[in-house]
Amino acid sequence: GAVVSQHPSWVICKSGTSVKIECRSLDFQATTMFWYRQFPKQSLMLMATSNEGSKATYEQGVEKDKFLINHASLTLSTLTVTSAHPEDSSFYICSAWDTHTGELFFGEGSRLTVL
Amino acid sequence: AQKVTQAQTEISVVEKEDVTLDCVYETRDTTYYLFWYKQPPSGELVFLIRRNSFDEQNEISGRYSWNFQKSTSSFNFTITASQVVDSAVYFCALSEAGGGADGLTFGKGTHLIIQP
Repeated sequence: GAVVSQHPSWVICKSGTSVKIECRSLDFQATTMFWYRQFPKQSLMLMATSNEGSKATYEQGVEKDKFLINHASLTLSTLTVTSAHPEDSSFYICSAWDTHTGELFFGEGSRLTVL
Repeated sequence: AQKVTQAQTEISVVEKEDVTLDCVYETRDTTYYLFWYKQPPSGELVFLIRRNSFDEQNEISGRYSWNFQKSTSSFNFTITASQVVDSAVYFCALSEAGGGADGLTFGKGTHLIIQP
C-alpha cells in the first residue's frame, strides 16, 4: 500500500538552532499534506495544512514564522522549526492525502528534542 | 466546530477480556467521516477503520468491532478477547470533508493496558 515516509525519525538539537523535517509520499502524488504535533501523553493537534505550490494554512495559535512549511513538489513537504527551544520538543507527524484513492496516510513521525 | 471526546483516559483489563473504547463526536455537517487509529509505544499511527456518516452498519474485523450510532453521535470500538499486543493508545478522529482531505480532529486518546 501507499507509504508516507518522514525523516529524520528522531533529532536532538541545541536551543536556538533550526531543524528541518521531511515528509515524502513514496508511491503517490500528494497535493495536500498535513502536519501534526503531539506532546507526551497528549493528542495529535493539527498545526497546518500544506498545499503543493501555495502557502500553507496554519491553525490558530501556530506561529507561521516559527514553523516554516514548504511543499515544493507533489511528493515532498518540509517542516522547519526555526530557532528551536525546549518547549518545541515534541513528536511531529505528517499525513498525506491521496486524491486518486481518497485515502489519508500517516508518516512514522519525527521526535524532536531540543536541549 | 467539530469535536471528538474520548472520556476514558486509561483502561486496564486482563488478557482475554472484552473491552470497549468510547468515542463521542460533535459536528454540524451531515457528511463526515470517523476514524480509529492505534498508536503503539513506537509512535506510528496504525489505521484501523474509516466510516462515513451515511453508513451506520456495524463493522467487524477479526477481534475488532465498531458500533456507529448517529442518534447518540457515538462510534465505539470493541476488542474481543483482548491480547497483550493490543496494549496501545487508541485515537478516535473526525473529518468533515472528503474522508480526511481537510485533516483530522483527534480525541485525546484512550490508553489501553492489557495485563497478562
